[in-house]
Amino acid sequence: DIVMTQSPDSLAVSLGERATFNCKSGQSVFFPSNNKNYVAWYQKKPGQPPKLLISWASIRESGVPDRFSGSGSGTDFTLTISSLQAEDVAVYYCQQYYTLPLTFGGGTKVEIK
Amino acid sequence: EVQLLESGGDLVPPGGSLRLSCAASGFTFAAYPMSWVRQAPGKGLEWLSVISGSYNKIHYAESVKGRFTVSRDNSRNTLYLQMNALGAADTAVYYCARASLFLSEAPLDFWGQGTLVTVSS
Repeated sequence: DIVMTQSPDSLAVSLGERATFNCKSGQSVFFPSNNKNYVAWYQKKPGQPPKLLISWASIRESGVPDRFSGSGSGTDFTLTISSLQAEDVAVYYCQQYYTLPLTFGGGTKVEIK
Repeated sequence: EVQLLESGGDLVPPGGSLRLSCAASGFTFAAYPMSWVRQAPGKGLEWLSVISGSYNKIHYAESVKGRFTVSRDNSRNTLYLQMNALGAADTAVYYCARASLFLSEAPLDFWGQGTLVTVSS
């Protein structure tokens, strides 16, 4: 199984400031034949289902604000919120879909400082 | 509009069984692989199982292999999860989710609201 490790476990950021968190896969999730990284990011708020934010490591889903961006390749990935808004308080999970079983990271909890 | 609605969550004693359902609408259900994911209280997301649209590919997480069985009825646009030999560690909110591609290895783009399973005597 591919282990996904997220850091930090939690992060407190002031409104309007940048939030950056990381995800590391236990093996490369880059597929050279199509030049794609098989990583997705989800936002999870209490009492709500997870919401897919980003797929292919950097492609925002329709309707996701452009303050969210994903980057990275191979085994190291980053989700950045360029200007934190109050509604961004949530837990963020990375997931690999390079192979089954699908695996999630442990999550990073984002709070307002 | 894509909609997924889970049902069947309940309080069940240790060692018991339960079947969850996920009713789908708003898309061609038979074309998409469907997954089950759970979140235990205070814990992260745990992927459990996927079934392809045509039933020919099924995969389970090790934690539920041999105890849980995923199935689907494309004529009823419904996904199922049969859970046997339940233990306290299975207490969680269970979500069904759609693969965003016609592949089992895909991000999950639509999720139901979840159904709570509590295993306790």
